[in-house]
Amino acid sequence: RKEVEQDPGPFNVPEGATVAFNCTYSNSASQSFFWYRQDCRKEPKLLMSVYSSGNEDGRFTAQLNRASQYISLLIRDSKLSDSATYLCVVSMDTGRRALTFGSGTRLQVQP
Amino acid sequence: NAGVTQTPKFRVLKTGQSMTLLCAQDMNHEYMYWYRQDPGMGLRLIHYSVGEGTTAKGEVPDGYNVSRLKKQNFLLGLESAAPSQTSVYFCASSFSDRAGGEQYFGPGTRLTVT
Repeated sequence: RKEVEQDPGPFNVPEGATVAFNCTYSNSASQSFFWYRQDCRKEPKLLMSVYSSGNEDGRFTAQLNRASQYISLLIRDSKLSDSATYLCVVSMDTGRRALTFGSGTRLQVQP
Repeated sequence: NAGVTQTPKFRVLKTGQSMTLLCAQDMNHEYMYWYRQDPGMGLRLIHYSVGEGTTAKGEVPDGYNVSRLKKQNFLLGLESAAPSQTSVYFCASSFSDRAGGEQYFGPGTRLTVT
């Protein structure tokens, strides 16, 4: 079983739509949670951290459910520029600060 | 401020050849990492370093070696390339004093081994 599991998609949505991605992680000792964005043939970049109380950054809302080991990302009012792969990432916060990446969910926003 | 840079950007090797990938960061980060990314799989950690002169194995270290002689540089070596090492290689760096925290990635090196 993968440590971090995501639906690979693709999710094809029209501009203006609301879309949600889910992610589950297997290690209950995971401490930190993130969503990274990766554009085609580019490097991953941090989109937002995910906090236990849930957090919002503009059109993006992230939520964490530790009991179910589940993370979500909601994108409202999708833009063409949101088209990318969204990577769910967890960290054990051990000394090496290493991240464990999901394989990503691809989003294609269509005009 | 260039952030994290990687050289080369592309490379084609024949089986058995060797090469070194160079990663450089100008953010004075203590932690540096090498990942590989294959289709349908998440980034997987090859080796990492928690400071100058230190290195450690990650999830998939076999067939690779690394060195961190200077704080700003992290080298990844392939001594005898195999087709299974065809991948996109990303270097990343991060601060040492943040739990988890953001990693900053280089633009990647696309390696093909024939």
